[in-house]
Amino acid sequence: NAGVMQNPRHLVRRRGQEARLRCSPMKGHSHVYWYRQLPEEGLKFMVYLQKENIIDESGMPKERFSAEFPKEGPSILRIQQVVRGDSAAYFCASSRQVPGAEGEAFFGQGTRLTVV
Amino acid sequence: TQLLEQSPQFLSIQEGENLTVYCNSSSVFSSLQWYRQEPGEGPVLLVTVVTGGEVKKLKRLTFQFGDARKDSSLHITAAQTGDTGLYLCAGDPGAGSYQLTFGKGTKLSVIP
Repeated sequence: NAGVMQNPRHLVRRRGQEARLRCSPMKGHSHVYWYRQLPEEGLKFMVYLQKENIIDESGMPKERFSAEFPKEGPSILRIQQVVRGDSAAYFCASSRQVPGAEGEAFFGQGTRLTVV
Repeated sequence: TQLLEQSPQFLSIQEGENLTVYCNSSSVFSSLQWYRQEPGEGPVLLVTVVTGGEVKKLKRLTFQFGDARKDSSLHITAAQTGDTGLYLCAGDPGAGSYQLTFGKGTKLSVIP
């Protein structure tokens, strides 16, 4: 039973390029969350999606960042025109139900984005 | 904004010793999850505690949720080098919320 799969594991982009991060949730999970972890900081919520719907993107910067979870295929976190401050580890999590006692969130291994 | 404070921030102990790390907040959480994260990897879920005063055991790890559901502790008995890692607590505010609030973690090093 495969866990949450993220790719790539490491991504290097030059300033101004686009970064695309992919996440395939665990089988049977329809809730997907993206979190960002900066050095020496805790994980911060970015966005919550269900299939074809963005439920809450309140933690995501209004500009340059977007996310989708299409009917078929993985969830994508897209960062346009990357800047050095976007360098971080980006984690995807999935759950069968909304987090809590019944909807434990399981995390992928993350994508480490480095902007040079 | 709900905050989770974890202490200590760093902990280095000898193999075989016992230790306790803490996760505190002024806010009430519907449930609280503990994760362990190793360098270059994602957080791995260890346990979820739901009921105030609840105690859960996972081999040598004992997790407790405070009576008021504002704080939690993790106690490790006879630490092993394999316990080394970053221990994170994450709170679920409940009431339909789905944004987990994470502490910054306790970085544990177990020395042989």
